Amino acid sequence: DADVTQTPRNRITKTGKRIMLECSQTKGHDRMYWYRQDPGLGLRLIYYSFDVKDINKGEISDGYSVSRQAQAKFSLSLESAIPNQTALYFCATSDRRTGPQETQYFGPGTRLLVL
Amino acid sequence: SQQGEEDPQALSIQEGENATMNCSYKTSINNLQWYRQNSGRGLVHLILIRSNEREKHSGRLRVTLDTSKKSSSLLITASRAADTASYFCATDTDNSGGSNYKLTFGKGTLLTVNP
Repeated sequence: DADVTQTPRNRITKTGKRIMLECSQTKGHDRMYWYRQDPGLGLRLIYYSFDVKDINKGEISDGYSVSRQAQAKFSLSLESAIPNQTALYFCATSDRRTGPQETQYFGPGTRLLVL
Repeated sequence: SQQGEEDPQALSIQEGENATMNCSYKTSINNLQWYRQNSGRGLVHLILIRSNEREKHSGRLRVTLDTSKKSSSLLITASRAADTASYFCATDTDNSGGSNYKLTFGKGTLLTVNP
């Protein structure tokens, strides 16, 4: 979905390096999410944010941090990358105003390889 | 931990046949959603069914929900090669009126439709 963009799309880094993955959206949604996807494990929630001043841990937040700089931007940082953080990372957004019909819109993903 | 579990993990059919995928979940839900993912790309929302609904249609998609068995099925009729993708169910387990909304995804079913 072009309304949700992620940069970079691919990244190779070394163990111990700090890296940041960025997500931007033009959908005007208030809620944003970071997931990682590993083969055979589906999607797992890392962090989520319901507003600029709101940050919540997901299922697997250890080793990650996030920043919600503005309603449209949500960044994910790996403070000291390790090989088992090699995965496909997705950002997603949703709109609280849709109520019970709320669905999520995903970015194209960032493929991260930690050597 | 995964809330939803899809079955089968992989399904291979011929073009024109119907494809059925199942999802089981563990706790009570407000709604259940199905998403599609083309290889290595972001997920795309297909259909949402609320806990008080039993069946829903959208084009060639038919979703059923049995809350007593905590299960859902996705039927794709008259499949096409372009339907080849992974399909995920996702559940919203929020019971607080939407203030803590988030989705939990299953591990997915990989559908291959052979021409």
